[in-house]
This record gives sequence, structure tokens and C-alpha cells, in this order.
Amino acid sequence: AQSVAQPEDQVNVAEGNPLTVKCTYSVSGNPYLFWYVQYPNRGLQFLLKYITGDNLVKGSYGFEAEFNKSQTSFHLKKPSALVSDSALYFCAVRDTGGYSTLTFGKGTMLLVSP
Amino acid sequence: DVKVTQSSRYLVKRTGEKVFLECVQDMDHENMFWYRQDPGLGLRLIYFSYDVKMKEKGDIPEGYSVSREKKERFSLILESASTNQTSMYLCASTPLGSGNTIYFGEGSWLTVV
Repeated sequence: AQSVAQPEDQVNVAEGNPLTVKCTYSVSGNPYLFWYVQYPNRGLQFLLKYITGDNLVKGSYGFEAEFNKSQTSFHLKKPSALVSDSALYFCAVRDTGGYSTLTFGKGTMLLVSP
Repeated sequence: DVKVTQSSRYLVKRTGEKVFLECVQDMDHENMFWYRQDPGLGLRLIYFSYDVKMKEKGDIPEGYSVSREKKERFSLILESASTNQTSMYLCASTPLGSGNTIYFGEGSWLTVV
């Protein structure tokens, strides 16, 4: 079975500072990894994904994530946070085989203060 | 752009009513999913479908059923709504292939009273 852990329910950061939202995963085979963002009363928006290749993945709105196979992690990062980045962030994993589904973490609320 | 449309954004239903949540995607995707989102629990998979008339149970199928008569449409059915089914329901779709991005609708807020 595959699983995702987001160890922080909430992350607080000041505008202009770097931010990190943590994610670790467990999957039997090779993982496909995703980050999504959710604004209040909205669906999930895709930010970025790791499929293969370079461990540093760049995505929408200046976000990036680093795949670390030995630590089974896929942390989301941004060099300089904006107040408008405040939202709920979900990490998700999908096994590379068959009709596997996407398994989500419980989400991390990011609050960026002015 | 991929568009996943959930026809009802906000619904209020009575206990015991039959509830239909409709989802349509316009990108000819093979796979479609229904998730339920609750605070502190994240997203949990209810049912998914990888082809017309095909369905597979997810992690929490009890109390739900689904229908996929056409490729673009995936319906979630609550045969007899209960208050513990009050939640946000999210539909999603993706082409075949595990590396493809899954696209979500805007969500349907269901309140059962």
C-alpha cells in the first residue's frame, strides 16, 4: 500500500522568507509524486510533479520541490513567500504500475504573514 | 485547458434522500475519480473508473455507488444520505498512465440535515 505523510498541520512564514512544506512517502515501486494547492472553497490546483530525471522539479507560481529517494521525501519549497501563497497544500503519490490511484497526505496549511 | 465540471457546488439534502453528484470532463480522459475531503483527514478515494461502465472501489466506498455510462461523465450516488456524509466531494480525471496529472473539479459541498 502507498501512503503519504505531511508532518506539519500548519507552517507559518513571514513574507519574503523562504518556505518549506514537508512530505514523505511510502510506495512499493517507483513513485510519481505530486503537489497540489487548494484555496478556500475551491478544488485542487496542480503545482508540480516528479516523474523521472532531475531531482529538482520546478512548478507553477515559483514553487519547486526536491525528490530525495534515500529519504523518501518530496519537500515543497519557494525562495521568497508571498501573502497570496497562503493556502492548503497537498502532497500525493502514485505507484508507477497498473491502475494505481493517487494517495494524498492530510494537507499542510501555509500561512504567510505580511 | 482541461475542464472538470461539477454541476452542483452547494447542496443541502435531508437524511434518507437519494443524492446524485454529477461530474463531466471535456478532455476524453479514461480515468475518473471521486474523492471526499474532510478536515484533518485529507482526501480519501471513494470510487474510481478507468473506462466506461467500469468501476473500482476506493478506500471508503460504503454508502456510495457510482455510474459511468459515458466516457465524459462520472456520477456519485448516495442511495440514502446520512449526516456523516456531510462533506466536500471532489471529482477528478486523468488520461491513462500513472505519470499523468490528475485534474480536479471545483468541488461539491454537501450538507445532510
